[in-house]
Amino acid sequence: KNEVEQSPQNLTAQEGEFITINCSYSVGISALHWLQQHPGGGIVSLFMLSSGKKKHGRLIATINIQEKHSSLHITASHPRDSAVYICAVSINFGNEKLTFGTGTRLTIIP
Amino acid sequence: EAQVTQNPRYLITVTGKKLTVTCSQNMNHEYMSWYRQDPGLGLRQIYYSMNVEVTDKGDVPEGYKVSRKEKRNFPLILESPSPNQTSLYFCASSFNYNSNTQYFGPGTRLTVL
Repeated sequence: KNEVEQSPQNLTAQEGEFITINCSYSVGISALHWLQQHPGGGIVSLFMLSSGKKKHGRLIATINIQEKHSSLHITASHPRDSAVYICAVSINFGNEKLTFGTGTRLTIIP
Repeated sequence: EAQVTQNPRYLITVTGKKLTVTCSQNMNHEYMSWYRQDPGLGLRQIYYSMNVEVTDKGDVPEGYKVSRKEKRNFPLILESPSPNQTSLYFCASSFNYNSNTQYFGPGTRLTVL
């Protein structure tokens, strides 16, 4: 079974700051996901990665397969980015048998 | 509107009283999954389904049943609920098991007394 660790658990930053959230896992994977959970509880898929880097707007996700590590970056952070960011990994195929980290709570102060 | 719906959104019940939480998607997705979310433990996968009549266990299947008789519906059944099944439950779907994006339902908050 894969262990997924996220750091930090909580992060508070000023608006405009560059944000980095980290995810490490213990066993080789086929895919890694980043999810965003809004304060109201709704969950949104952000990225699925198996190698390299993906970018969507101000969000960038990278993965280093050899080091079993992924980062989620947010550029020019904004209060609406305040949410819990969750990393999840799959050993088999993209969405099959996901194991989740416990999340990073991000708060952006205006 | 493309969406995943869950019903009920909130439920308080008593130990041993069978219940079903429904999940329905209108996107013709092959893959569907159930998760529970608990403080300090995060999200954990209960069951998933790769397609109609194909289901498999996730990390925490004990005490739950599922069925996938139609592509759009994936109900979660608790035959004899216990207090340790008090949790926030999410259903999700994606085009197939290897899709980039999962679409999550709004969640069902279940309390078992």
